[in-house]
Amino acid sequence: DVKVTQSSRYLVKRTGEKVFLECVQDMDHENMFWYRQDPGLGLRLIYFSYDVKMKEKGDIPEGYSVSREKKERFSLILESASTNQTSMYLCASRAGNSPLHFGNGTRLTVT
Amino acid sequence: DQQVKQNSPSLSVQEGRISILNCDYTNSMFDYFLWYKKYPAEGPTFLISISSIKDKNEDGRFTVFLNKSAKHLSLHIVPSQPGDSAVYFCAASAAGNMLTFGGGTRLMVKP
Repeated sequence: DVKVTQSSRYLVKRTGEKVFLECVQDMDHENMFWYRQDPGLGLRLIYFSYDVKMKEKGDIPEGYSVSREKKERFSLILESASTNQTSMYLCASRAGNSPLHFGNGTRLTVT
Repeated sequence: DQQVKQNSPSLSVQEGRISILNCDYTNSMFDYFLWYKKYPAEGPTFLISISSIKDKNEDGRFTVFLNKSAKHLSLHIVPSQPGDSAVYFCAASAAGNMLTFGGGTRLMVKP
């Protein structure tokens, strides 16, 4: 069965801190994604990667960066956390154009 | 401007009755549509999809209808069960590109 694992379920960080969100998939998928989910706004794409060391901006990349050093791991980085980055963060992966497989999410609170 | 809209933030239905969740889109280039279901504290899971060459796709209790002229799709759940209580997201893509999600509808099925 497909498995996407996000390392933290809940995180509380202070404004200005550097934050790392980690995601690992075990399906050998080439495509990986980071979304944030906010009430009424659905899921918005932050960044995605279609191969190791490759990355593309999504709809809302400002304030974020990503790293994909290995095929199975995709990291989201908040360089200097701000309160408006308080959200649910969802990692996903897929092979080709198949449906996305999501992790269980990381709820980040920035105080 | 949201290209995919779910205008009902919530819906309450009695067990055994039909649930109808609606979704409207504005981008005429969208050619593939999906529904995802999300339980609290879990990531979204793929439910059902439809290509623009079809107007209906059925999978057990779940049926998705697509009306291209109206740029509207709907998800029918018959009969509804308490375990169907979740947030439902519709999503659309054009030519295999990134998915655009709606804001979600919270379905509550009352026993």
